[in-house]
Amino acid sequence: DVKVTQSSRYLVKRTGEKVFLECVQDMDHENMFWYRQDPGLGLRLIYFSYDVKMKEKGDIPEGYSVSREKKERFSLILESASTNQTSMYLCASSSLGPYGYTFGSGTRLTVV
Amino acid sequence: ELKVEQNPLFLSMQEGKNYTIYCNYSTTSDRLYWYRQDPGKSLESLFVLLSNGAVKQEGRLMASLDTKARLSTLHITAAVHDLSATYFCAVDTNSGGSNYKLTFGKGTLLTVNP
Repeated sequence: DVKVTQSSRYLVKRTGEKVFLECVQDMDHENMFWYRQDPGLGLRLIYFSYDVKMKEKGDIPEGYSVSREKKERFSLILESASTNQTSMYLCASSSLGPYGYTFGSGTRLTVV
Repeated sequence: ELKVEQNPLFLSMQEGKNYTIYCNYSTTSDRLYWYRQDPGKSLESLFVLLSNGAVKQEGRLMASLDTKARLSTLHITAAVHDLSATYFCAVDTNSGGSNYKLTFGKGTLLTVNP
């Protein structure tokens, strides 16, 4: 069964901490995505990547960065966590072309 | 900038009734997806609609796509409690070459009451 695995289901971090959210896919997909989900706002795209070492800004990149050193792994980085980054974070991957997306189970991050 | 609008955002139904969720989008798209999300869970893919006039059905749910009107509908027939969830539509757009990305609507929280 194909999978997108997010390393943590729940995280609690302090304001100002540097936070890493990890996502690994086992489908050899080229494309990977990070979304943030907030009540009433749906899912909003933070960053995405179409290839190793490549990244593109999504709709809400401020306060975030990403790293893709290997094809299967896409990391979301909060350089200095703030309380307004408390949210559910979902990772997804897809292959080249319009062949659908696979989502991870999500990481619920709380910044206190 | 692509906008995807769902309505209603909240829907409370009685079991056995029918209703439709609407999804409008602001630019041409290659595909439209419907997802279901249960509380605390990830997204479950329901339908992928690939072309104008596409209609897909699974159980009590039926989705359709009108690309000329930039409108998709998710119709619920004879609702049951198990359908209570949040439903999202998402539009796939080409961002260059063979690369695509998904843009989501805000979701419709469906509650089916006995």
